[in-house]
Order: sequence, then structure tokens, then C-alpha cells
Amino acid sequence: QVQLQESGPGLVKPSGTLSLTCTVSGGSITSNDWWSWVRQSPGKGLEWIGEIDQSGNTNYNPSLTGRLTISLDKSKNQLSLTLTSLTAADTAVYYCARFALTIYGDLYYYHMDVWGKGTTVTVSS
Amino acid sequence: IQLAQSPSFLSTSVGDRVTITCRASQGIGRFLAWFQQKPGKAPDLLIYAASTLHSGVPSRFSGSGSGTEFTLTISSLQPEDFGTYYCQQLRSYPYTFGQGTKLEI
Repeated sequence: QVQLQESGPGLVKPSGTLSLTCTVSGGSITSNDWWSWVRQSPGKGLEWIGEIDQSGNTNYNPSLTGRLTISLDKSKNQLSLTLTSLTAADTAVYYCARFALTIYGDLYYYHMDVWGKGTTVTVSS
Repeated sequence: IQLAQSPSFLSTSVGDRVTITCRASQGIGRFLAWFQQKPGKAPDLLIYAASTLHSGVPSRFSGSGSGTEFTLTISSLQPEDFGTYYCQQLRSYPYTFGQGTKLEI
């Protein structure tokens, strides 16, 4: 059974850079086309951050474009997130998630079926 | 695309039939998923493609709708169904979530 585990620094300084890693176990990161990051600010709802496919194609939330990089390391079975110019608004629990695909006729339905437990990131001096 | 869930909070009892609504600001076909989240845990996928039950999810959960209006129904509420429920649209970028419906039992 595929499991995802996020890791990274729990505390980062304002204006600094956040680097998170999501390690895939129990399966290969190449088995699914797309992988994603989602975050949740304290007491708030869910925010989709962005996604990456096997070819390295990415789609980012426009609210983060310019500060965000998502990458895939197939040799390590890992997904990574880098977010620069951090502010307190970036304080959140960060989740990685796998996209599964179901095809109905000519429609492709992607859905986030496996999630990591999440890692808490606090931006503070 | 903005998603508006209603109600935001629901106080219920075991055995109740519960319906949560998710309205999209524009048509999204059936590109909608529902999640359940418990405190301190990651979201769990319940339904995708508006009405397809994810593997392992109890059959008391069901989804319906297309276009701009969707519903998640729990036919007979169980104690373990407490938590916050979110809808998510995957029709266009950026993917967005509803603000959540907190279910108290």
C-alpha cells in the first residue's frame, strides 16, 4: 500500500526559503501521472498549491507563482516543494498527495486518493 | 472557480440523514470530489467524479450533481462520521476547495 511522508524544517524565518520533501513508499512515484501539494493554514480550509507530472510539467496556484517550485526525483521516489520569500501567511500544515485517474468515456477524472500525514511549518523569527 | 458549501456547521444525531451542498461559481461538469477531515489528520477521499464512491468508503455516503450544484449525502449518520467535509473542483486551475462543513454529532 502506497504511503506518503512529508519532511522538512518545522520553523523557518520570514523572508527565508522553505524546502519540503515527500517520500513515497510501498510503490513507485512513476506509477502515477501527477503528484500534488496542498496546505492548510491554522484553523482554515484547504489550499491547492500545485502539481507536477512524470515529465516535469507543473501547474501552480497563481497566488504562489514566482515563489514556488515543485520537482520530482524518480531515483529517490520523492516529490519536493520549494517556497521562497516566506511570510507569516505561509504558516500551515503542508500535505503531499497522489493523483489517481479514472476514465469515463472520453473524460479523465483525476482525484487525490492518497495523502501524507502532513508536516507543520511555522514562519516566525 | 469558487465553491460555496452549505451549511458551514451542522449539529446532528446518530441515524440522521445529512445533506451537504456545494455550489460552484461556474459549471464544472462532474469534476468534483468530496473529502472528510478529522482534527489533526489529512483529508480522506470519499467521492470523486461527483458520484463515484472511493474504494473502502461506506455505502452510506453518496454524491450527486453536475454543473454548478452538488450534494454529499450520508444516509444514516454514524458516530465516526464527525469531522469537516470539503468539496474540491478539478475542472480548471487553480483547483479549489469549498470552505468546509463541520459536522458535529
